[in-house]
Amino acid sequence: SQQGEEDPQALSIQEGENATMNCSYKTSINNLQWYRQNSGRGLVHLILIRSNEREKHSGRLRVTLDTSKKSSSLLITASRAADTASYFCATDDGTSYDKVIFGPGTSLSVIP
Amino acid sequence: DAGVIQSPRHEVTEMGQEVTLRCKPISGHDYLFWYRQTMMRGLELLIYFNNNVPIDDSGMPEDRFSAKMPNASFSTLKIQPSEPRDSAVYFCASSYSLSGSGANVLTFGAGSRLTVL
Repeated sequence: SQQGEEDPQALSIQEGENATMNCSYKTSINNLQWYRQNSGRGLVHLILIRSNEREKHSGRLRVTLDTSKKSSSLLITASRAADTASYFCATDDGTSYDKVIFGPGTSLSVIP
Repeated sequence: DAGVIQSPRHEVTEMGQEVTLRCKPISGHDYLFWYRQTMMRGLELLIYFNNNVPIDDSGMPEDRFSAKMPNASFSTLKIQPSEPRDSAVYFCASSYSLSGSGANVLTFGAGSRLTVL
C-alpha cells in the first residue's frame, strides 16, 4: 500500500530554474524522507524531516512539512541537468515508525 | 564500504522456474527491506527485517514469495514458481534505526532486474 502521493507526476524545467515537488500522505506520521532515483539505479536518500520539524535545508534542497495538511514539499533551487531523476517521498505508516513506504514519485527533467 | 550488494543484477527465467535473489546488507545495519518496483505499481514494500527477524510481511504478494534472513549479513527473496507478472526490479535496502525517532534512513542496492518469460 502507498502512504504518500507525489505531485506532479512529471516536471520539466530549464536549467537554473527552481523545481518544486509535493507529497501528500494519508495518516499521521513520525517522519518523512525524500529520495532520488537516477535511471536504472537504486534510490539515494536526500533528506529526513521529523514530524515536529517544519523546514530543513541541505545544500540546494529545501524541504517543508505541514502536518496539519498532511503534506510536504521538496524545493530544488538553481537546478542542473544532473538533477534529472525521479524523486520519491517516503513515510512510516503512522503505526510502525520503522516502516518505510514510498509514494509513486515525480519524474524531473532539467533541460540544459 | 561496498554498500548493499545484490545478486544477480539481471535474471531471465521461464515461467514456473524458481528464482532466488540475494542481498548482503551494510555491516552494522540492523534493518533490511525488500522492495519491488514496476511502472504500474511503483515501489512496493514486500517485507522488512529487524535483527534478522521478519517484522512485517504484509506486502508479500502471495505464497509463491518467501524471504529469509539467516544471519545479519545475508538475505534471500525466493519466488517459486515464478510467473510473468513477477517481472520487476527487486531492491534490497538496509539501515540502522536513528535513535529516538524510529526512522530508518535506507541505503539501497543496485537492484535485481527479473524477467519471467
